[in-house]
Amino acid sequence: GNSVTQMEGPVTLSEEAFLTINCTYTATGYPSLFWYVQYPGEGLQLLLKATKADDKGSNKGFEATYRKETTSFHLEKGSVQVSDSAVYFCALTPKAAGNKLTFGGGTRVLVKP
Amino acid sequence: DGGITQSPKYLFRKEGQNVTLSCEQNLNHDAMYWYRQDPGQGLRLIYYSQIVNDFQKGDIAEGYSVSREKKESFPLTVTSAQKNPTAFYLCASSRSTGAYTGELFFGEGSRLTVL
Repeated sequence: GNSVTQMEGPVTLSEEAFLTINCTYTATGYPSLFWYVQYPGEGLQLLLKATKADDKGSNKGFEATYRKETTSFHLEKGSVQVSDSAVYFCALTPKAAGNKLTFGGGTRVLVKP
Repeated sequence: DGGITQSPKYLFRKEGQNVTLSCEQNLNHDAMYWYRQDPGQGLRLIYYSQIVNDFQKGDIAEGYSVSREKKESFPLTVTSAQKNPTAFYLCASSRSTGAYTGELFFGEGSRLTVL
């Protein structure tokens, strides 16, 4: 079956530090990959996505590259802000499954001033 | 503003009682979903519906029921058969699953606590 594994949190950083959240996946075929973010008290929202190998998704200073050879989709940001404090979810969907997503366990990130 | 509205935000239930969580969307989306979120386990799909009057079981449908009588509405009933119902429930919608984008729009969630 399909599964997504993320590093466990919480991840605590100082403002302007470099952030990496690891994500690896298991899936049949070539799934599309996503990062969703959940800010405190809110629902999830799509942060970025990549639909094929070597694609790079980017948004709000965050980036992730689809690595088929390592089945990974690590999220990075070069300089975090306090407002980046949130829970980040890696997700995938095989293209045949349409918009039915399989999510990882989530990684809580806390950025301190 | 367009979006997804879930209610109630917090709900307490006694064991043995059924409870229904409301989900309404005004995005004109065809597909709607219910996910359950537990600490450290991410989101797990309970039920989804691609069109009015049709729905399918997700990965953890046991103890839950849904209906889709209107495009805008997809209520979830947590029945007394659900063994561990205390959780955070998230409703989402998307354009038809045939219009594949992977983008789901989420509500703010309903937290159910069984006493």
